[in-house]
Amino acid sequence: QKEVEQNSGPLSVPEGAIASLNCTYSDRGSQSFFWYRQYSGKSPELIMFIYSNGDKEDGRFTAQLNKASQYVSLLIRDSQPSDSATYLCAVSGAGSYQLTFGKGTKLSVIP
Amino acid sequence: GAVVSQHPSWVICKSGTSVKIECRSLDFQATTMFWYRQFPKQSLMLMATSNEGSKATYEQGVEKDKFLINHASLTLSTLTVTSAHPEDSSFYICSARNFGTRAPSNGYTFGSGTRLTVV
Repeated sequence: QKEVEQNSGPLSVPEGAIASLNCTYSDRGSQSFFWYRQYSGKSPELIMFIYSNGDKEDGRFTAQLNKASQYVSLLIRDSQPSDSATYLCAVSGAGSYQLTFGKGTKLSVIP
Repeated sequence: GAVVSQHPSWVICKSGTSVKIECRSLDFQATTMFWYRQFPKQSLMLMATSNEGSKATYEQGVEKDKFLINHASLTLSTLTVTSAHPEDSSFYICSARNFGTRAPSNGYTFGSGTRLTVV
């Protein structure tokens, strides 16, 4: 059973701070890792994806992947109130294009 | 590019009736469609995977006779909830993937979701 674990939160950070979201996965063969943002009542929207160990930066967002530790994280710099949402970590494995989602971490950015 | 149109966005139906949800890929060919269900404060749970022209593969615990999936063309997939009951009330989301080319979202494009309420 493939599992993706996230701290459900809520994670509260002040506006302008760095928000750090974490995710661990059980399938060592996992190859692709995704971070989605989901506002209440809405469909998930892709923030970033990462394949290789290390960091990947896109604007205020940085994804970090450590396959040896089976750990992926998302850093949000200069957090804004509009970043308040649930962040879903998703993983797909070798030979399978199905995404397995974590339960999500609710982020609240306090003005 | 890479837009998936999902309709309806919300629907209320009576217990025992059937509801059809449509997902259309507007500017790419969706070779594979994934159907998810999301209960309040829960994550997305994959219900089934369908490839164009073939029968859907259902996840364990999902009744294939209750949740009918049709993927007859590369641009349209439908999910029909038959004999709906209140416990089927949920947020249903489709996600299309084109394995032929890489879409901007790295191949996974989500529909906007359908909120189903069975009364």
